Amino acid sequence: EPEVTQTPSHQVTQMGQEVILRCVPISNHLYFYWYRQILGQKVEFLVSFYNNEISEKSEIFDDQFSVERPDGSNFTLKIRSTKLEDSAMYFCAGKGTGTPFFGQGTRLTVV
Amino acid sequence: KQEVTQIPAALSVPEGENLVLNCSFTDSAIYNLQWFRQDPGKGLTSLLLIQSSQREQTSGRLNASLDKSSGRSTLYIAASQPGDSATYLCAVRNTNAGKSTFGDGTTLTVKP
Repeated sequence: EPEVTQTPSHQVTQMGQEVILRCVPISNHLYFYWYRQILGQKVEFLVSFYNNEISEKSEIFDDQFSVERPDGSNFTLKIRSTKLEDSAMYFCAGKGTGTPFFGQGTRLTVV
Repeated sequence: KQEVTQIPAALSVPEGENLVLNCSFTDSAIYNLQWFRQDPGKGLTSLLLIQSSQREQTSGRLNASLDKSSGRSTLYIAASQPGDSATYLCAVRNTNAGKSTFGDGTTLTVKP
């Protein structure tokens, strides 16, 4: 089964630092999504991306967050100045004409 | 705004029992509904996908049903095994390209 790959699997960063989470969708994917799951809580939608622009974002996705697809392959989520409360599992998903495929997640720990 | 609720939050059963997990959603105009499994600290494994026009889907010991008009889905697990222990998540999408809205999940423990 085709996979969406996320790197790194685990990242530890100091509060205030910038982090970039990376996702490699399947080659024919057109729609891209980021979700986060704080430990013990539900999976929450952050942002969707299509045709090189944001198509929808949640109230969580504030000015500290940005997404881009810099090389037509990788899809990245940047957090400019991390806070302790950004510690969570971040999931990327990619979609072609069918159902979205989810990556295995990046666990971000802010210390 | 779509909201998804899963009941119960936790369930513990002896091995071999059949069980039902419940998912309800507030906006019945869904595109599809998906059930996932999540092991502790791990990613999301897709189990079953039901399109809005379908009533049920089956995969092995798993059967998922959908009653769109009442805003409900159930996941039936037959002959449960300790390896089924995990958190089960329900997620709905309202449009083809739209976001998934997840429930809080049901944490299942199957005791040997």
